[in-house]
Amino acid sequence: EAEVAQSPRYKITEKSQAVAFWCDPISGHATLYWYRQILGQGPELLVQFQDESVVDDSQLPKDRFSAERLKGVDSTLKIQPAELGDSAMYLCASSFQETQYFGPGTRLLVL
Amino acid sequence: GNSVTQMEGPVTLSEEAFLTINCTYTATGYPSLFWYVQYPGEGLQLLLKATKADDKGSNKGFEATYRKETTSFHLEKGSVQVSDSAVYFCALSKMNFGNEKLTFGTGTRLTIIP
Repeated sequence: EAEVAQSPRYKITEKSQAVAFWCDPISGHATLYWYRQILGQGPELLVQFQDESVVDDSQLPKDRFSAERLKGVDSTLKIQPAELGDSAMYLCASSFQETQYFGPGTRLLVL
Repeated sequence: GNSVTQMEGPVTLSEEAFLTINCTYTATGYPSLFWYVQYPGEGLQLLLKATKADDKGSNKGFEATYRKETTSFHLEKGSVQVSDSAVYFCALSKMNFGNEKLTFGTGTRLTIIP
């Protein structure tokens, strides 16, 4: 069964450093999402791509976060500089026929 | 706007007990409805879904019926197991200007004790 791949699974960094997360969606899924999930809460959408284009980044803190999906397949989410409040799980999802499929997530800890 | 309200947790049950986790929604039109499950330290897994009124989604012994008259999608299981311990999220999906948006509830933590 095809799955969404994410790496790394865990990342520990110091504040003010740069971090990057990678996501490979299920083959053929044109829509890709990045979510942030703070411990004990539901996921919150950061950015949505349709192929290589951003269709919604209204909740992305653009002063420090960036996301790209250059060839419309895999995607990278970057944080620079990281802050203590960025500690969370970062989830990637891709969708087909109104159903989103999630990857295992990257758990980020900022010290 | 769209919203999902879930039963507050945590919920603790004994093994083989009957489970209900309530979920109600607010949305215009006809959203699709989902239950996702999240095991500790992992991402969300799709548990079941329903795309139109009176549809019943089912998987791994869990069921939920799309009730438009009560705007509800309650999750049920007849006999829970320790392995069902996880956080359960109810969600709705609605197209917005051609883009699909998923709105989540706050999640319900379920613990099953042997």
